[in-house]
Amino acid sequence: DAGVIQSPRHEVTEMGQEVTLRCKPISGHDYLFWYRQTMMRGLELLIYFNNNVPIDDSGMPEDRFSAKMPNASFSTLKIQPSEPRDSAVYFCASSPRQGYNEQFFGPGTRLTVL
Amino acid sequence: GIQVEQSPPDLILQEGANSTLRCNFSDSVNNLQWFHQNPWGQLINLFYIPSGTKQNGRLSATTVATERYSLLYISSSQTTDSGVYFCAVSSGNTGKLIFGQGTTLQVKP
Repeated sequence: DAGVIQSPRHEVTEMGQEVTLRCKPISGHDYLFWYRQTMMRGLELLIYFNNNVPIDDSGMPEDRFSAKMPNASFSTLKIQPSEPRDSAVYFCASSPRQGYNEQFFGPGTRLTVL
Repeated sequence: GIQVEQSPPDLILQEGANSTLRCNFSDSVNNLQWFHQNPWGQLINLFYIPSGTKQNGRLSATTVATERYSLLYISSSQTTDSGVYFCAVSSGNTGKLIFGQGTTLQVKP
């Protein structure tokens, strides 16, 4: 079975541009999570979905960030406009039906905002 | 919220040595995972271990939930074990993982 798939793997953009990160969870997993990793803050949850519905977005840093899950096999994380402080590695993870089951992470998207 | 502390923060080993990494958490949990972040940045699942003991090759882990700690044992370390080891926990029904700051391991040949 394929694991969690993320694209792009690397993204370099200029300040003010819109950035869209994509994630395909493991088939059959009902929970999808977006995490961000920075040197200063480590790994932290941004938002998670259950059955395509956003459940907790308290970790989303500000209104410039938005996330959607239009169907069970696809999610996006969008930053508009992007800023240099958004530079980080963004991970998507999924887990089976019950939220406290094991989470499996994608390879991450390394975002650099110049 | 729940706090996760890992120790030691850094560890340097000679190839073939054994080591123990520790994870302390401040409240009861229903999920605890150990990850290895390799030099390419990938997060590799090592163990899902909210309680009990598991072994996988040279690695093993033990979680004592009542005392709020978990241990990761690495035996006969190899250079490919280098990287950062994270402990992450969740409580309640959300599955939201709270990560520790990690232990950076360097194994020298």
